[in-house]
Amino acid sequence: QQQVKQSPQSLIVQKGGISIINCAYENTAFDYFPWYQQFPGKGPALLIAIRPDVSEKKEGRFTISFNKSAKQFSLHIMDSQPGDSATYFCAARDSGGSNYKLTFGKGTLLTVNP
Amino acid sequence: DAGITQSPRHKVTETGTPVTLRCHQTENHRYMYWYRQDPGHGLRLIHYSYGVKDTDKGEVSDGYSVSRSKTEDFLLTLESATSSQTSVYFCAISVMGYEQYFGPGTRLTVT
Repeated sequence: QQQVKQSPQSLIVQKGGISIINCAYENTAFDYFPWYQQFPGKGPALLIAIRPDVSEKKEGRFTISFNKSAKQFSLHIMDSQPGDSATYFCAARDSGGSNYKLTFGKGTLLTVNP
Repeated sequence: DAGITQSPRHKVTETGTPVTLRCHQTENHRYMYWYRQDPGHGLRLIHYSYGVKDTDKGEVSDGYSVSRSKTEDFLLTLESATSSQTSVYFCAISVMGYEQYFGPGTRLTVT
């Protein structure tokens, strides 16, 4: 059972364009939604995260939009740069219990062409 | 990098042999996790720990065991490695129960 569905699997954007990656979930117990960026040969790095009490969070060129009623959240990368080319994962934390487990989407390979 | 190291970084082993991967942290975080990453599957939780000697299973725990005898070390053992366990393994720690930070990974090949 895939609890966090991520789309698209791959995305090609021109330099300066907007990259948009979407995630959807079913579990209403999820209470924290991070995005990770991973470069080849490296571990995932926390990029930006949001909690469901806000609808948007922005850090530099990266913005998370969150729609609680639709159970969807998305990552927007403004003015995309070739250095943003990486795999991006969304995730969600289950507030049930105290083990702080994250469930990850399957990832989106972003390529930004110069 | 949240002070996380993994060893070894690369390993090739034969089917049926035991393998132990080590995760070491320097900041005394309570929660530690082991994931495997495979193409098309993203990151999947194998086991996690919420304190010394306190561990529990994740979604893909079959064929794996863990131990945590010290706060700073979390060991993942493949009792008898199989080719299906060829993967990249990541350790992570949790800060304040929200952010998780990952180590650099171990690439394991089982031949």
